[in-house]
Amino acid sequence: EDKVVQSPLSLVVHEGDTVTLNCSYEVTNFRSLLWYKQEKKAPTFLFMLTSSGIEKKSGRLSSILDKKELSSILNITATQTGDSAIYLCAVEVGAQKLVFGQGTRLTINP
Amino acid sequence: NAGVTQTPKFRILKIGQSMTLQCTQDMNHNYMYWYRQDPGMGLKLIYYSVGAGITDKGEVPNGYNVSRSTTEDFPLRLELAAPSQTSVYFCASSLLAWPGEQYFGPGTRLTVT
Repeated sequence: EDKVVQSPLSLVVHEGDTVTLNCSYEVTNFRSLLWYKQEKKAPTFLFMLTSSGIEKKSGRLSSILDKKELSSILNITATQTGDSAIYLCAVEVGAQKLVFGQGTRLTINP
Repeated sequence: NAGVTQTPKFRILKIGQSMTLQCTQDMNHNYMYWYRQDPGMGLKLIYYSVGAGITDKGEVPNGYNVSRSTTEDFPLRLELAAPSQTSVYFCASSLLAWPGEQYFGPGTRLTVT
């Protein structure tokens, strides 16, 4: 059975801190790995990673994929209260199928 | 351009009742999906469609049905609601088969009592 596991499940930090969220996977047919941010409602797309070692960056957020270790990290630097959300990792396993992790709930305190 | 819209936003059903969750997208995406998200969990794929007239089962299809008569609409039908179907339901669409990203609707919170 395909599995995606995120850690930690919950994280509370102070504004300005740097955080690292982890995603590991065990799937039979890896095609890509995606990160989403979920605030109050629908997940919104952050990054898609297909090649190992290539870092994707968008402002204070960055992500990298390690296909040897079957994992990915999402880094957020200089955190702001607006970064508070659930961060979801998903692995595309083919045929339009995404397998999601359970999410990391990030809380940024002022 | 509204993106992906879902109705209703909230619904309470009694056990055994039926209902249809509506999903519409105006981005001319061929691919559409239904997910459910239980509390503290990730999303699980219920059904998906690669184009009008074509649907296929996802990870958790039991208790649900779908149809795709047009590119824009992808309704999800619950025939005999059960408490285990209490969840938040998300519809999504995407342009590309692979690689691609899925655009999500705002969700429908369903409670079955």
